[in-house]
Formats: sequence, C-alpha cells, structure tokens
Amino acid sequence: GDSVTQMEGPVTLSEEAFLTINCTYTATGYPSLFWYVQYPGEGLQLLLKATKADDKGSNKGFEATYRKETTSFHLEKGSVQVSDSAVYFCALFTGNQFYFGTGTSLTVIP
Amino acid sequence: DTGVSQDPRHKITKRGQNVTFRCDPISEHNRLYWYRQTLGQGPEFLTYFQNEAQLEKSRLLSDRFSAERPKGSFSTLEIQRTEQGDSAMYLCASSLDRLGNTIYFGEGSWLTVV
Repeated sequence: GDSVTQMEGPVTLSEEAFLTINCTYTATGYPSLFWYVQYPGEGLQLLLKATKADDKGSNKGFEATYRKETTSFHLEKGSVQVSDSAVYFCALFTGNQFYFGTGTSLTVIP
Repeated sequence: DTGVSQDPRHKITKRGQNVTFRCDPISEHNRLYWYRQTLGQGPEFLTYFQNEAQLEKSRLLSDRFSAERPKGSFSTLEIQRTEQGDSAMYLCASSLDRLGNTIYFGEGSWLTVV
C-alpha cells in the first residue's frame, strides 16, 4: 500500500548548519508530496509541496525536489536557525487521503 | 475566519464517558478529514468527507467512533465509552477536492482519558 518512510530522529544541529531530512515513498499512481511542520502543542502547518516529478517546493529557505526515479522527497535547508526547531512530517496525497511519515524531530542549538 | 478551527482544544474525561469534538473547516473547502496523532507518531487517517458524504473510514475507526458532517460544513467526531487508549490528539483538516491541493490542519483537540 501507499506509505512514507522518514529518516529517524531526533536530529540536533548547531545554528547555521546544513539540514537534510530524508523521505522516501511508496505509491501507486502519481501522488503529490508535502512537508509539514509541527511546533510543540500546535497543529500541522504546510511547509512546502510538489505536485509532479522534478518539481521543487520551497519556502522559508527549505527546499525539496520530487524525485520519481528514487521515489524521494528529501527536505534541505542551507542554514538552520533556532526557530526551525520543530517536528517535520513528510506526506503524500494519492487523491483520497494523506499518508504521513512518523516525523523527524529537529533541535537547533545556538 | 482564515483557518480550520477545532473545539475544545483540550478535554479530560473519565473512562467510559462520551466525548464530542467539533471541527469548522475553511469555508469553501468541500473535503474534511479527521486524523489521530499520538505522541511521537505521525497523524493516522480516521475518515474523510466530501461535502456531507462520508467516503472512507479507516479500520482504526471502531464502532465506538462516529463522525458526521450533516450539512457539508462543520463536522463532529464522537467517541462513546472512552478508553485510555483513545488518549491522543484528534486533528481535523480540510481541502478542496483537487489532486495536489493543500490540506490545512486545525490546531487539534487533545483528549486525555483517565
């Protein structure tokens, strides 16, 4: 069935370090791919999305490219800030429902 | 109103009691979803509506759970005879019926069953 596999956390980085959070998916058809972010005690907020192969989603310095050949949608940021500390969820949408990964907790230390 | 709103935000209830959560989606969104999230896990799909029709239900949605969206606008999720294992955050989300369209989440309703 359809599913998303995310890099295990937690991840701890120093401010201004480079971030990569890996995400791979399994899906029939051509899903849309998303990254959501969740801050403590809050709901999920859309970070970025890509709707077809080779699309790049970007927002707030974060980027992810929809790679059909490797079934991946890795999240990257060149220079993280303390305010980026949160849990990041990769998700895919097949037309009926969203499937989420288990989340990757990121802590950025000054 | 610019987002999905959920009520109540927090609920503590005794085991065996019934609880009901309400979700008001973004006004023009015809799809409404319920998800459940436990600590350290990603959201798990429970059910979704397109307008007032409930189109899909997860196996997670036991017969103690019922969801409605009577007029295709707000939705309620009722849990009867709550159990400690029902303790979780219940997330509501809405979207337009279009592949690739973004799903917008509410802040969630935290349920603690004691």
